[in-house]
Amino acid sequence: DVKVTQSSRYLVKRTGEKVFLECVQDMDHENMFWYRQDPGLGLRLIYFSYDVKMKEKGDIPEGYSVSREKKERFSLILESASTNQTSMYLCASSLITATNQPQHFGDGTRLSIL
Amino acid sequence: SQELEQSPQSLIVQEGKNLTINCTSSKTLYGLYWYKQKYGEGLIFLMMLQKGGEEKSHEKITAKLDEKKQQSSLHITASQPSHAGIYLCGADMHNYGQNFVFGPGTRLSVLP
Repeated sequence: DVKVTQSSRYLVKRTGEKVFLECVQDMDHENMFWYRQDPGLGLRLIYFSYDVKMKEKGDIPEGYSVSREKKERFSLILESASTNQTSMYLCASSLITATNQPQHFGDGTRLSIL
Repeated sequence: SQELEQSPQSLIVQEGKNLTINCTSSKTLYGLYWYKQKYGEGLIFLMMLQKGGEEKSHEKITAKLDEKKQQSSLHITASQPSHAGIYLCGADMHNYGQNFVFGPGTRLSVLP
């Protein structure tokens, strides 16, 4: 089974702090994704990466950056946390093949910015 | 506007009843995926459909993709409290899995 592990289930930080959310997958997947999920807005893509050191902006990249130094690890960085970044953050990974493949998700990190 | 629409938005059924959730797009989908999410947790992958007319089943859940690959349904037979949660459809809008969108979700409650 695919295992996507997010470093924290719950996290509380203060406004202005630099916040790191870590995600690790164990299935050698090329694609990795960061989403945030908010009531009434559904899942929104922040960034994704299709290879080491490669990154692409999603729908809502403002206020975030990412890092992918190793294939299995994809980090989301909140450069200066703000209260409107309080949300559920979900990491996912998928394989690149000739046919479409599902994304596999971690358990999520519920982040509160005070 | 959403590229994927889901209906109904929420559903409350009595245990043992059958139910159907729909997922619709105005565009052809290259891959259609169903996920289940329990409150406060990640998404669990249920099933993937790729070919027009395809149907898959797992335990009491059956998913179908129409011939035009623009609409999918998820049917649960004899629902149980363990089926409760949010069901989301996701789809590849192009090949290679890098233009992936999700529907808004359908919240299912099953009353014992």
